[in-house]
Amino acid sequence: GEDVEQSLFLSVREGDSSVINCTYTDSSSTYLYWYKQEPGAGLQLLTYIFSNMDMKQDQRLTVLLNKKDKHLSLRIADTQTGDSAIYFCAETVNTGFQKLVFGTGTRLLVSP
Amino acid sequence: NAGVTQTPKFQVLKTGQSMTLQCAQDMNHEYMSWYRQDPGMGLRLIHYSVGAGITDQGEVPNGYNVSRSTTEDFPLRLLSAAPSQTSVYFCASTYSGGNQETQYFGPGTRLLVL
Repeated sequence: GEDVEQSLFLSVREGDSSVINCTYTDSSSTYLYWYKQEPGAGLQLLTYIFSNMDMKQDQRLTVLLNKKDKHLSLRIADTQTGDSAIYFCAETVNTGFQKLVFGTGTRLLVSP
Repeated sequence: NAGVTQTPKFQVLKTGQSMTLQCAQDMNHEYMSWYRQDPGMGLRLIHYSVGAGITDQGEVPNGYNVSRSTTEDFPLRLLSAAPSQTSVYFCASTYSGGNQETQYFGPGTRLLVL
């Protein structure tokens, strides 16, 4: 079945790096995504990685993909208080329609 | 572009009432979908559409109806609201092209069923 798992909570100090981890089950996923949700807001696409890539870097964000272990991570360098939010990873599942299956979200708290 | 818009932002219903959550996108995307977000459960797919006139069920469709008469609009109907439908509802439209497939989410509708 389709299942995406994340740890529920991460706390870091401002200026440190944050690493949010995710495991997924569908080995045929073509895209894997990271979304950010701030309190009371919708989901904002942060970045995505194509399944034939191992790494993608976008400014302070680095995504690592280990297809063998079905493990995805998001590293935020120089974490700021404005990065405090819930981060969702999601995998695509092709059921004739590219359905997104979301993890439960990781709440990142950045303290000054 | 306004992107994906949803109305209303907040709604309180009594058990048994019906209502329609509106969703519209101006990006000419074929794919649209509805999710609900509940604490500790991430987002779950309710219904989706791959184009005007075509809809299908997601993983939690019971108690909800959808229709897609135009590319732009994808309303979600609650036929007889139940407290279990208290949730935050997100509409999304999907861009698919080349090597990219991206979902754009609306701001959400917060629904409380008493």
